[in-house]
Amino acid sequence: SQTIHQWPATLVQPVGSPLSLECTVEGTSNPNLYWYRQAAGRGLQLLFYSVGIGQISSEVPQNLSASRPQDRQFILSSKKLLLSDSGFYLCAWSLGGTIYFGEGSWLTVV
Amino acid sequence: DAKTTQPPSMDCAEGRAANLPCNHSTISGNEYVYWYRQIHSQGPQYIIHGLKNNETNEMASLIITEDRKSSTLILPHATLRDTAVYYCIVRARSSGSRLTFGEGTQLTVNP
Repeated sequence: SQTIHQWPATLVQPVGSPLSLECTVEGTSNPNLYWYRQAAGRGLQLLFYSVGIGQISSEVPQNLSASRPQDRQFILSSKKLLLSDSGFYLCAWSLGGTIYFGEGSWLTVV
Repeated sequence: DAKTTQPPSMDCAEGRAANLPCNHSTISGNEYVYWYRQIHSQGPQYIIHGLKNNETNEMASLIITEDRKSSTLILPHATLRDTAVYYCIVRARSSGSRLTFGEGTQLTVNP
């Protein structure tokens, strides 16, 4: 069966520091991969999605970037974090239908 | 994607069936009904989805009315670990990455 893991689960970083959140999917090939941010009111904001290695689409201009160095690996990065980057980040995957989410990563920028 | 309406909260006794309703009166013919749940501080968990027929899996049953304007998620024997926010989403498979969570229903299972 397919599984998705993202890490770290919790992160506290100072303003201006870099960020790297990693996500891997097991048990499937060539999945669509996504990074979402969930706001306090439970709304989901799509940040990036990828349909293949090296193919990244950005939904919102911001201080973040994403990369897909391998088929089942998706990385969310920032060179310099802002206070407004704090939030709950979710990696997800699909094969075109149902979207499945990872455990989430809580980022607090201080 | 069509809008959904759910009650903000529900209570259920442990061991009893939990029936969570959802209204989606503007659903289109190609839109599926999806259910997710989210336990505090965790990622949303997929439960079940259906188009027009009733569906059942190891987690729950989904009952969709004949006119498809409403549906009910049934947890047959609720446990304390089923306490979560449950989201009903109407979505076409061609929606791709677009996924909109509404307010959902806070289900509290009581001992």
